[in-house]
Amino acid sequence: IAGITQAPTSQILAAGRRMTLRCTQDMRHNAMYWYRQDLGLGLRLIHYSNTAGTTGKGEVPDGYSVSRANTDDFPLTLASAVPSQTSVYFCASSRGQGNTGELFFGEGSRLTVL
Amino acid sequence: AQSVAQPEDQVNVAEGNPLTVKCTYSVSGNPYLFWYVQYPNRGLQFLLKYITGDNLVKGSYGFEAEFNKSQTSFHLKKPSALVSDSALYFCAVRDNYNTDKLIFGTGTRLQVFP
Repeated sequence: IAGITQAPTSQILAAGRRMTLRCTQDMRHNAMYWYRQDLGLGLRLIHYSNTAGTTGKGEVPDGYSVSRANTDDFPLTLASAVPSQTSVYFCASSRGQGNTGELFFGEGSRLTVL
Repeated sequence: AQSVAQPEDQVNVAEGNPLTVKCTYSVSGNPYLFWYVQYPNRGLQFLLKYITGDNLVKGSYGFEAEFNKSQTSFHLKKPSALVSDSALYFCAVRDNYNTDKLIFGTGTRLQVFP
């Protein structure tokens, strides 16, 4: 059982470059999320999707975009990376639709922007 | 505003002793509360949740949490700590304005010493 798969696991990127972090789930969950984790700040929501075809902004959406063309995939794109986007990024999913179920997380993508 | 507070950045405890990791919350309406654990270089894993019913909730790895409505708290506890419990612990509350979203605390690092 794969659950949530994120790629790449780690990446070093020059400032100004475009980067897409991939996320795929095989649980047929409705809702998907992107968080960034920074020391002392915990987890902050970047973007989310309650169901395929819809997306919403989280707490820190600036500089990021997402798409949800189908149920399984939820890529996160940095159009022009900046050093402040150096972080560990986690994709997550849940059954959604107002369910009280828990989130399932991927293993993270560590991004360094130089 | 809805929020979660984890007042301790780090908790140190000797192996075999009881442990408590504190969490307080602020939410509109009924609270749906969660605890997650993160081991080094891994994604978050669900530990337990409170939705309704008994104020003492039991979860994975021998952990439990006590919901206290009057103190708006949801402290994580374990009667006897193990070295392997050393990890980062996050408290979260469901966003009642968008019930597919969770609001996370900043995390508490638990260090269990042999």
